[in-house]
Amino acid sequence: QQQVKQSPQSLIVQKGGISIINCAYENTAFDYFPWYQQFPGKGPALLIAIRPDVSEKKEGRFTISFNKSAKQFSLHIMDSQPGDSATYFCAASMSGGYNKLIFGAGTRLAVHP
Amino acid sequence: DGGITQSPKYLFRKEGQNVTLSCEQNLNHDAMYWYRQDPGQGLRLIYYSQIVNDFQKGDIAEGYSVSREKKESFPLTVTSAQKNPTAFYLCASSQRALQETQYFGPGTRLLVL
Repeated sequence: QQQVKQSPQSLIVQKGGISIINCAYENTAFDYFPWYQQFPGKGPALLIAIRPDVSEKKEGRFTISFNKSAKQFSLHIMDSQPGDSATYFCAASMSGGYNKLIFGAGTRLAVHP
Repeated sequence: DGGITQSPKYLFRKEGQNVTLSCEQNLNHDAMYWYRQDPGQGLRLIYYSQIVNDFQKGDIAEGYSVSREKKESFPLTVTSAQKNPTAFYLCASSQRALQETQYFGPGTRLLVL
């Protein structure tokens, strides 16, 4: 019940296309859902995050869509660029007590020119 | 320039040897974390500390030890009891233990000779 399942494992998109990465969770107590971006040999960096009180959050070309009833959330990267090529991790945590982040297994995105 | 620094970038361990990975932050954050990252897997929590002189085991603490004598420092020792230490180790911090946003360092890659 603590798992966050992420798909696909890898993704190839052409420049200018839309990249879509999906995550699903079981624990309905989760109330914070961040996405992290990691370049090779670097630490992850927070990209965008959402809480269950909204269904969508957009920051530039990056959008999180959240479906509370389905217990799913997804990252959309519009107009994908070669510089977006990285590994993306979704995560989830709950408020109260120690807020342990539960990470998905990651998606390796390659954007081809 | 605020952030999290980890050293060394690469570390080699011989059989039966203990090695210590350094993590320093100048963000004045209360909470610090250590994660292990293996290829194709998400981040797994080793240890975390919510405050100076206090730390708790994460999901995979066996074979590791930590200390938190100063707010800005959270070193991780990989002991000889850790039989499969080859991995990418990431240190993170957050403003408070209940603060969801975690900021990551650049990581240390540990290899066994």
